[in-house]
Amino acid sequence: GNSVTQMEGPVTLSEEAFLTINCTYTATGYPSLFWYVQYPGEGLQLLLKATKADDKGSNKGFEATYRKETTSFHLEKGSVQVSDSAVYFCALSDRGSGGYQKVTFGTGTKLQVIP
Amino acid sequence: DTAVSQTPKYLVTQMGNDKSIKCEQNLGHDTMYWYKQDSKKFLKIMFSYNNKELIINETVPNRFSPKSPDKAHLNLHINSLELGDSAVYFCASSHFSMKRINSPLHFGNGTRLTVT
Repeated sequence: GNSVTQMEGPVTLSEEAFLTINCTYTATGYPSLFWYVQYPGEGLQLLLKATKADDKGSNKGFEATYRKETTSFHLEKGSVQVSDSAVYFCALSDRGSGGYQKVTFGTGTKLQVIP
Repeated sequence: DTAVSQTPKYLVTQMGNDKSIKCEQNLGHDTMYWYKQDSKKFLKIMFSYNNKELIINETVPNRFSPKSPDKAHLNLHINSLELGDSAVYFCASSHFSMKRINSPLHFGNGTRLTVT
């Protein structure tokens, strides 16, 4: 079956540092890839997505590129802020049985940004 | 304005009790989901409904019974609650298309269930 592997957290960075959160996936088909963010006490929100190889998703200074050759979708941001402190989830969407969309999430990576 | 709303936000109950969580979405989506998030933040799909029809039913104890009265509502009833049921339960919705699999999920803010 499909799976998503994320780097273990927590990741602690100083404000304005460069962020990378690694994500690799295993899928039998041609999935779409997503990053979601979860702030404390809230549900997950879509951060960005990419639907095919070499697509780059971007939002709020975050970027991730769909790399089919390395089956990766690493999340990057050039300069993090305290307000970026949250849990980040990598996810893939594929077609499950019956043709319906099935989403598989990674285990989440907690990011803490200190002033 | 809330797109996906769940009630209650917190639920504290004793082992053996029966409880329900309600979810409603006003996004016009036709697919709704229940996810369970454990204390380590791991998210596991439990159920999914498309237009009131059950389409995903993962290996969940049959003490858990979802019900979708219409495509805007998906409720979760849990019988004979156990300590291990303590978790945060998230409802989500998305738009289904046979042509695409890139519809993002929209999540509610979760229901924190504590079983004592």
